[in-house]
Amino acid sequence: QVQLQQWGAGLLKPSETLALTCAVYGGSFSGHYWSWIRQPPGKGLEWIGEINYRGATNYNPSLKSRATISIDTSTNQFSLHLNSVTAADTAVYFCARSLLLTAYITWGQGTLATVSS
Amino acid sequence: QSALTQPASVSGSPGQSITISCTGTNSDYNLVSWFQQHPGKAPKLVIYEVTQRPSGVSSRFSGSRSGNTASLTISGLQAEDEADYHCCSYQGNNQVIFGGGTQLTVL
Repeated sequence: QVQLQQWGAGLLKPSETLALTCAVYGGSFSGHYWSWIRQPPGKGLEWIGEINYRGATNYNPSLKSRATISIDTSTNQFSLHLNSVTAADTAVYFCARSLLLTAYITWGQGTLATVSS
Repeated sequence: QSALTQPASVSGSPGQSITISCTGTNSDYNLVSWFQQHPGKAPKLVIYEVTQRPSGVSSRFSGSRSGNTASLTISGLQAEDEADYHCCSYQGNNQVIFGGGTQLTVL
């Protein structure tokens, strides 16, 4: 059974870069898309972007090119970097595996990232 | 892109059925999913491809769509169903959007 475990810095100052990593246990990268999704406090979910095992990526245009998702097949990990963060980026960030587009079947535990000066 | 539109809240009594709507999906694609989220937990997939249930999800959960509005129906409401529910749709051009979420209260 595939499990995801994520980690990364929880407190950032405005203009810094958010860096999160998600490790995949019990499965391989091939045949799936690997995504990042966030949820501001008390609000709904927001899709950030995704990457496949070949490194092909898609991003939410609302993030205006601030997000970069990368993959390391040698360690079964994928990462999110979000630069120039502001308070509006404060959220719980989840990594997820999808069966197919929108079908996020496996989720990480979530990481709260708080942006504050 | 704007979020999909969901009601902020719905409620029902144990044993009843409730339906949550999600407006703004792209009817060109059968890529609509629904997620259940309990407080402080990660979302759980309950419906994908508009009507499909993942293995292990109760048959009390069902999905449908009419035009650009998708719906999640929960029948035989139970106390454990009290949670937030989120819809998600593929909009084309490699873009995915979520709804604002609906809080379900079991009375």
